[in-house]
Amino acid sequence: GAGVSQTPSNKVTEKGKYVELRCDPISGHTALYWYRQSLGQGPEFLIYFQGTGAADDSGLPNDRFFAVRPEGSVSTLKIQRTERGDSAVYLCASSRGGTSGRVNEQFFGPGTRLTVL
Amino acid sequence: DAKTTQPNSMESNEEEPVHLPCNHSTISGTDYIHWYRQLPSQGPEYVIHGLTSNVNNRMASLAIAEDRKSSTLILHRATLRDAAVYYCILRGNAGNMLTFGGGTRLMVKP
Repeated sequence: GAGVSQTPSNKVTEKGKYVELRCDPISGHTALYWYRQSLGQGPEFLIYFQGTGAADDSGLPNDRFFAVRPEGSVSTLKIQRTERGDSAVYLCASSRGGTSGRVNEQFFGPGTRLTVL
Repeated sequence: DAKTTQPNSMESNEEEPVHLPCNHSTISGTDYIHWYRQLPSQGPEYVIHGLTSNVNNRMASLAIAEDRKSSTLILHRATLRDAAVYYCILRGNAGNMLTFGGGTRLMVKP
């Protein structure tokens, strides 16, 4: 079946610009996660949605980062006034969600590589 | 979630077994032990998880120490496709997110 997809696969932007990154989770998965991965490091949690609501946004680095999931499926990560330090691979994952979060497998997309010049 | 410690890198020969260690001395009684791996230029993928007993699936085996302070991911016959970064992650009650450390970069030689 279809896995998690992310678009675009690559995004190059200039410092100060606004970008949107899209994630299409596996159909039926109620939980959706955004992570960020810098070169040579493990992914770092940003935000977690259960349905339409952000259940945990403690990983968002500052108020330039915002994410939405208005209909409980597709999610968009939005970054305002981009900085060179925002350059990274942004990964999206989805899972069945529910109360078994500690065991539910997360399925990851291929990521969006963001480069801020 | 409690912290895990893994070697930065390991090497293996193709067709041989690989034992990837993970220390988690501060694990709590309700923490599950998960392993994910990340192939080059791809997102992480789930490998296996366990709580107390050893676990087997089509990808690997997970051996958990009796005191649960360490675990070992076992690939029974390494292939070139198994070259990846392997992450050992504890998942408890702190939230549904995965907390990745640096992982172990496994290199497989033909």
